[in-house]
Amino acid sequence: KQEVTQIPAALSVPEGENLVLNCSFTDSAIYNLQWFRQDPGKGLTSLLLIQSSQREQTSGRLNASLDKSSGRSTLYIAASQPGDSATYLCAVRSGANNLFFGTGTRLTVIP
Amino acid sequence: GAGVSQTPSNKVTEKGKYVELRCDPISGHTALYWYRQSLGQGPEFLIYFQGTGAADDSGLPNDRFFAVRPEGSVSTLKIQRTERGDSAVYLCASSSSGQGIGYTFGSGTRLTVV
Repeated sequence: KQEVTQIPAALSVPEGENLVLNCSFTDSAIYNLQWFRQDPGKGLTSLLLIQSSQREQTSGRLNASLDKSSGRSTLYIAASQPGDSATYLCAVRSGANNLFFGTGTRLTVIP
Repeated sequence: GAGVSQTPSNKVTEKGKYVELRCDPISGHTALYWYRQSLGQGPEFLIYFQGTGAADDSGLPNDRFFAVRPEGSVSTLKIQRTERGDSAVYLCASSSSGQGIGYTFGSGTRLTVV
């Protein structure tokens, strides 16, 4: 069974810093990897989707990379803002028709 | 619709009662998924529909849980004889066919069993 781990579990940074969130997965046979954002008490908002054949995806201040062979992905957030405070979830889609999620990284950006 | 809609957004029920949670996927999305998220955890898979049929229900925890999608669009997750351990956020997602396509999630239903 696919297992997804996210490190760190929580992160607190001052506004303006660049930061990296890490995601690792045990089975490299994936179709894609998706990063989500979840605000307290809310559902999931998709941030970036990386196909298994891709190395990275960018959207605004966000950049996600994928190293499928080593089972790793990183989410890079540039020039962090207080509005970036949320829980960030990594999920991989393997052979079965569902996503395997990590437990998330809770990010706090301090003004 | 423009997004995945879930109703109700919050549901409080007494232990032992029956509840139904509704999901209205994005129009034209053939695949529909239910996930359950407990406090402090990532979402866990419950069931997947392709069209009207449940293609994979391996994540349903026991026979008190059941889901239907009779016309291939709206889905209902049904929980019988609710227990306090069923308290969680139930999330629905949909996607178009194809394993390379990303998911769109709804805002979830927060179920509290008292």
